[in-house]
Amino acid sequence: GNSVTQMEGPVTLSEEAFLTINCTYTATGYPSLFWYVQYPGEGLQLLLKATKADDKGSNKGFEATYRKETTSFHLEKGSVQVSDSAVYFCALSGPSGGYNKLIFGAGTRLAVHP
Amino acid sequence: EAQVTQNPRYLITVTGKKLTVTCSQNMNHEYMSWYRQDPGLGLRQIYYSMNVEVTDKGDVPEGYKVSRKEKRNFPLILESPSPNQTSLYFCASSFTGNQPQHFGDGTRLSIL
Repeated sequence: GNSVTQMEGPVTLSEEAFLTINCTYTATGYPSLFWYVQYPGEGLQLLLKATKADDKGSNKGFEATYRKETTSFHLEKGSVQVSDSAVYFCALSGPSGGYNKLIFGAGTRLAVHP
Repeated sequence: EAQVTQNPRYLITVTGKKLTVTCSQNMNHEYMSWYRQDPGLGLRQIYYSMNVEVTDKGDVPEGYKVSRKEKRNFPLILESPSPNQTSLYFCASSFTGNQPQHFGDGTRLSIL
């Protein structure tokens, strides 16, 4: 079945450092890929998405490119801020697993210190 | 403001005492879903609903019930809660199942 694997955290960075959070997936066909972010005490918010190979999703300085050849969707940001501290979830939807649910990775906690 | 509202936000209860977690959305979404979040496992889908009176099981439905009598509401029912249902629960909604989902702020349940 479909699955998502994320790098384990926590990831601890200094402000203005470069961020990469790795995400790989297993799926047949072309799933839609998402990054969600969860700030402390809150629900998940969509950060960015990509629906086909080579698409690049971007938002708030974060980027991720849908790589079919490596089945990856790594999240990157050039210069992190303290306010980026949160848990980040990679997720996919469909096609073989169905479009009626999101399949999540385990989440990666990011801590950014001044 | 577009939102998904869950109640209660926190609940501590005892084994076997029936409880309901309510979920309401104001975006006229047809699709709604419940997830539970456990450390190291991410979020796993419990039940989902494609529209009024249409519900189906997700990956971990055992011990839960849902209903969808109105488009805006999708309550999660634990008829006889057990300690292994202690978790953080999220309700989500979207126009269709493959659209990005809007999440509520979560309900933390502790079953003693």
